Amino acid sequence: ILNVEQSPQSLHVQEGDSTNFTCSFPSSNFYALHWYRWETAKSPEALFVMTLNGDEKKKGRISATLNTKEGYSYLYIKGSQPEDSATYLCASLWGNTPLVFGKGTRLSVIA
Amino acid sequence: DTGVSQDPRHKITKRGQNVTFRCDPISEHNRLYWYRQTLGQGPEFLTYFQNEAQLEKSRLLSDRFSAERPKGSFSTLEIQRTEQGDSAMYLCASSYLRPGELFFGEGSRLTVL
Repeated sequence: ILNVEQSPQSLHVQEGDSTNFTCSFPSSNFYALHWYRWETAKSPEALFVMTLNGDEKKKGRISATLNTKEGYSYLYIKGSQPEDSATYLCASLWGNTPLVFGKGTRLSVIA
Repeated sequence: DTGVSQDPRHKITKRGQNVTFRCDPISEHNRLYWYRQTLGQGPEFLTYFQNEAQLEKSRLLSDRFSAERPKGSFSTLEIQRTEQGDSAMYLCASSYLRPGELFFGEGSRLTVL
């Protein structure tokens, strides 16, 4: 069974704090890792797609790293803002599998 | 391009009724996916199409669930004889290439009474 695990399940941070989340996945036959951001009442939006071990990607204050050998990815948010409040989903592809999602990390940024 | 659209956005039905959801993907995308999301869970894969071919349907939750994508354009997901456990958000997404990002619609929320 291919499972994607995310932690923490939820967290609350103060505006201006930096934070990070973890995504872990089976590393065997790994193909790609996706991060999505899902705001309430909107559709999930892709943040990053990463495929290579050691990949680091950045979009504004948000960045992500990938370790395919040990099967984990980190998502970092620097200087959190209230508009960063959302559920952050990690998803992985292996071989010919469809994209398998974790349960997400729900972030609340308190002004 | 208006993105992925889903219809209806909300559906309330009585147990035992049939429901159908429609998804219109981004026009140049050849891959179309259906996912289901329930409270506290991440999106759960149901099925996907490449053009009009349904390449994976073993994850459909039961034989009450079926999906079509005639002519490789829009897709429909039908649930027959709905049960209360079918209450969920049904998400459609499309993409152009694997492992490219998925573009999601806003979902169709089903409530079965």
